[in-house]
Amino acid sequence: QQQVKQSPQSLIVQKGGIPIINCAYENTAFDYFPWYQQFPGKGPALLIAIRPDVSEKKEGRFTISFNKSAKQFSLHIMDSQPGDSATYFCAASQRGSQGNLIFGKGTKLSVKP
Amino acid sequence: EAQVTQNPRYLITVTGKKLTVTCSQNMNHEYMSWYRQDPGLGLRQIYYSMNVEVTDKGDVPEGYKVSRKEKRNFPLILESPSPNQTSLYFCASRGWSGGEKLFFGSGTQLSVL
Repeated sequence: QQQVKQSPQSLIVQKGGIPIINCAYENTAFDYFPWYQQFPGKGPALLIAIRPDVSEKKEGRFTISFNKSAKQFSLHIMDSQPGDSATYFCAASQRGSQGNLIFGKGTKLSVKP
Repeated sequence: EAQVTQNPRYLITVTGKKLTVTCSQNMNHEYMSWYRQDPGLGLRQIYYSMNVEVTDKGDVPEGYKVSRKEKRNFPLILESPSPNQTSLYFCASRGWSGGEKLFFGSGTQLSVL
């Protein structure tokens, strides 16, 4: 079964720290890797996404690092803030199919003031 | 405002009593999908629809039904709910012109007693 393995399950950092969330995938046909952010009581929302033709993508304080040979990708949050406290999901999909996203199990991030 | 609307937000029911969770989107999206979110298990796809009258099973379809008679609506039907269907449910939609970005509703918390 296609899987996306996400770690850690939970993460606590101090304000200003750089939390890193890691994901690994198995299917080499995956070609789209998004991260979704979910606040309590809300639905997930797209945060940032990357395709395998680049090794890094930055949007503001959020960076995705992508290692195609290792089949791994990670989310880094620079200068983390208490407002970044949320659950983060990595995901993967394959273009040309129905494009269904396979989600990781999520990481609950808490940024302490 | 572009949005995915789910109703109800909270629902408590008893085993075996049929229920429907509605989902509507105002973005003219072709693709719609249902997910359930459980602690430690992340987001798992129940059913999805590529367009009107086109539906298919996701990873955890047992005990659920869907229909797509209109482009904007994608109801989730539990004909005989059981306690193991107690979960947080999300509807999501995506349009081809917008790429792979999924728009999620705010969720329906279902408790089956």
